[in-house]
Amino acid sequence: RKEVEQDPGPFNVPEGATVAFNCTYSNSASQSFFWYRQDCRKEPKLLMSVYSSGNEDGRFTAQLNRASQYISLLIRDSKLSDSATYLCVVNLHRDDKIIFGKGTRLHILP
Amino acid sequence: EAQVTQNPRYLITVTGKKLTVTCSQNMNHEYMSWYRQDPGLGLRQIYYSMNVEVTDKGDVPEGYKVSRKEKRNFPLILESPSPNQTSLYFCASSTTGGIAYEQYFGPGTRLTVT
Repeated sequence: RKEVEQDPGPFNVPEGATVAFNCTYSNSASQSFFWYRQDCRKEPKLLMSVYSSGNEDGRFTAQLNRASQYISLLIRDSKLSDSATYLCVVNLHRDDKIIFGKGTRLHILP
Repeated sequence: EAQVTQNPRYLITVTGKKLTVTCSQNMNHEYMSWYRQDPGLGLRQIYYSMNVEVTDKGDVPEGYKVSRKEKRNFPLILESPSPNQTSLYFCASSTTGGIAYEQYFGPGTRLTVT
């Protein structure tokens, strides 16, 4: 099983819809979780950290399920500007390695 | 402006010709890291550094070297580049060892080795 797995997509979603995607991780010692956003040919940028209790930032909600070892990202009322690749990131504190998923491509359609 | 800079942004070179990609950050971050990004493989960590004079291998360190003589700089060295090192490279930095804090990425260096 890969360390961090994401559905590569692409997800083609009409503007205004709600979209959700998951990311699974294999190492139960993982302790920090993040979602990054990457636009085409640009550097990744932090979208949000993922906290154990779940957290929300505007239209974005992140959840962590330690028992099942996955994190999720929900985008409500999607905008054209949400089109990007979303990267799931896991940090193993044990050795300070940071592991990125391969990303999920999202296309918001007008 | 807080930022991570990389140079060069684009580089085309030939097999075996040593090269260095520079990375510098102005945020006084302890943690710095190099990644490569390839289609279908995502971002993979090459090397990282917790602080000055402390470096560790990531997942794909073969063929690369790094050094951390100053806190702000973390150059990536390819002693003898090969075509399989053609990739998009990102440098990143963060506070607190990157454990729970935001990583700031440089704009990327697109390297082609012929």
